[in-house]
Parts: sequence; structure tokens; C-alpha cells
Amino acid sequence: AQSVTQLGSHVSVSEGALVLLRCNYSSSVPPYLFWYVQYPNQGLQLLLKYTSAATLVKGINGFEAEFKKSETSFHLTKPSAHMSDAAEYFCAVSDLGRADGLTFGKGTHLIIQP
Amino acid sequence: GAVVSQHPSWVICKSGTSVKIECRSLDFQATTMFWYRQFPKQSLMLMATSNEGSKATYEQGVEKDKFLINHASLTLSTLTVTSAHPEDSSFYICSASPPRTIVPYEQYFGPGTRLTVT
Repeated sequence: AQSVTQLGSHVSVSEGALVLLRCNYSSSVPPYLFWYVQYPNQGLQLLLKYTSAATLVKGINGFEAEFKKSETSFHLTKPSAHMSDAAEYFCAVSDLGRADGLTFGKGTHLIIQP
Repeated sequence: GAVVSQHPSWVICKSGTSVKIECRSLDFQATTMFWYRQFPKQSLMLMATSNEGSKATYEQGVEKDKFLINHASLTLSTLTVTSAHPEDSSFYICSASPPRTIVPYEQYFGPGTRLTVT
């Protein structure tokens, strides 16, 4: 079975500072990995995805993530945080055995300090 | 493009009644649709996967007789919570996948439906 661990249920950074949200996965097969953002009372929006192409993936809103197989990690970064980045972020792994049904991490709430 | 809608966005029902939630892909055909459940301040848990014209595949621990899923067309899936109880109160989110030959490994999520059972 696949699993996703997100370290830190809450992360607080200052506006303009580096954002780093951590995600480690467990998978018995080559994984497909995703980062989603959720704003209050809304559905999920895809930030970026890794599907076995380039290990450094660039997404929307200035976010990027690097797939590191040796570390089983897929951490999300953004060089400079904006107030609008405050939201819940979910890392997910695709389970091909479930027709791409996703297994999500518990989420990280990103807080941006002015 | 790739818009998924859900209706209603929120619903309150009395214990023992049934409620239906619709999930529509507005501008693409979804060969597969997924239903997730999210408890407050928690992650999403996959409930079931449905393919158009086929029976849904439920995750372990999800009661298929309680959560009825119908994927009647390539743009519509419905989730019916039967004989709802307060513990069924949750945020239900659907997602839809276009054929892999078009956009592989991608799901588009609806905005969610907040269900409150009193």
C-alpha cells in the first residue's frame, strides 16, 4: 500500500521568505506524485505533478518540487512567499491499482506572517 | 477548461433521510470519477472509484449500501448518502479524470459539498 507523510501540520513563514513544505512517500511501484492547494471551503487545485519525467517539476504560482528517489521525497518550495499563498497544501501519490485514485497526506497549513 | 462542478454546495438533512450529491464534468468527458470524503481539518480519504456504465469500486471500510454511486454518463456521477446519520456529516469532494490518452494521471476536483446531518 502507498502512503504519504507530510512533516509539520502547520508551517509559518514571513512574507517574502522561502516556503518549504515536506512530503515523503512510500510506494512499491514508481510513483506519480502531486501537490494540491486547498483554500477554505473549496476543492483542490493542482499545483504540480511528477509523472516520471524531469525530477524538478515547476508548477503554478511560482511553486516547484523535486523528486528524490533516494530520499523518497517530493518537497514543495517557493522562493518568496506571498500572503495569497496562505492555504492548506496536500501531497498525494497516485495508486495505479486504483485507477489513479489518490492517497493524500494529512496536509500542511501554510501561514504567512506579514 | 477542465471544470468540475458539484451540486449542491451545501446541504442540511435530517437523520434517517437520504441525500444525493451530483458531480459533473462541464467541458470534458470523464472516464473515471472519484469520490473523497474530508473530515474537518483532515485529509481527503478516497471512498470509491467509478467508471461510466460500471459498478463503483469501494475502498475498504466504505459501506456500498450506504453510499450509493451511479456513474450514468461520461459527464455525471452521483453519490447518494442513504439513511444519513450525524456521523455522515462531512465534506464530500468528487474528482474526474479524462481519458489517459488525453491527459494522463490527472484529476480535476469539484468544489465540494458540505453535508450536515441533524
